[in-house]
Amino acid sequence: KAGVTQTPRYLIKTRGQQVTLSCSPISGHRSVSWYQQTPGQGLQFLFEYFSETQRNKGNFPGRFSGRQFSNSRSEMNVSTLELGDSALYLCASSLDGTGTDTQYFGPGTRLTVL
Amino acid sequence: GENVEQHPSTLSVQEGDSAVIKCTYSDSASNYFPWYKQELGKRPQLIIDIRSNVGEKKDQRIAVTLNKTAKHFSLHITETQPEDSAVYFCAATTGTGGGNKLTFGTGTQLKVEL
Repeated sequence: KAGVTQTPRYLIKTRGQQVTLSCSPISGHRSVSWYQQTPGQGLQFLFEYFSETQRNKGNFPGRFSGRQFSNSRSEMNVSTLELGDSALYLCASSLDGTGTDTQYFGPGTRLTVL
Repeated sequence: GENVEQHPSTLSVQEGDSAVIKCTYSDSASNYFPWYKQELGKRPQLIIDIRSNVGEKKDQRIAVTLNKTAKHFSLHITETQPEDSAVYFCAATTGTGGGNKLTFGTGTQLKVEL
């Protein structure tokens, strides 16, 4: 099976702009989670989607949003970008998101905000 | 919410020696503890995981132990090799809300020297 894929791999934006990142899970996986990775804060949970519904949400401002489509592909959107949003954004998919099933990570999207 | 502490932040060992990384968690309801390895510029990859109904799990040179009473779990790598050099992250989750929400430790940079 193909692994988790993310597009684009790299993005450069300026403050105030918005950005949309995409994640395609492993075939058959229904849960998609998003994480932000920065040198200072490490890996932090953003949100999780299962069957097109947001099931869990981390402590991020409302500028961060997401959605999931019927084919389990997911997108996350960041509006009004700030310098501090520069990070590696990782998505992870799992079979049914029971909380104890393995999460497989994508390669990430490196976002740079200038 | 859950809090995971990880030590040490950096670890340098000689090839062939053992390496131990320790994590503690705060939420006694946590029931799943994965370990991820992340090489520079690559995605986190699961190397081993343990569930709360098991005290120890081993996979070739890698083992994980869990002490639920003390709320800590450890990663043990024996006979280390240069290719083990990477950042290792521990994580914990309670599966709250029926879904995935991993809380990660801050990572350990392991360097295996020849």
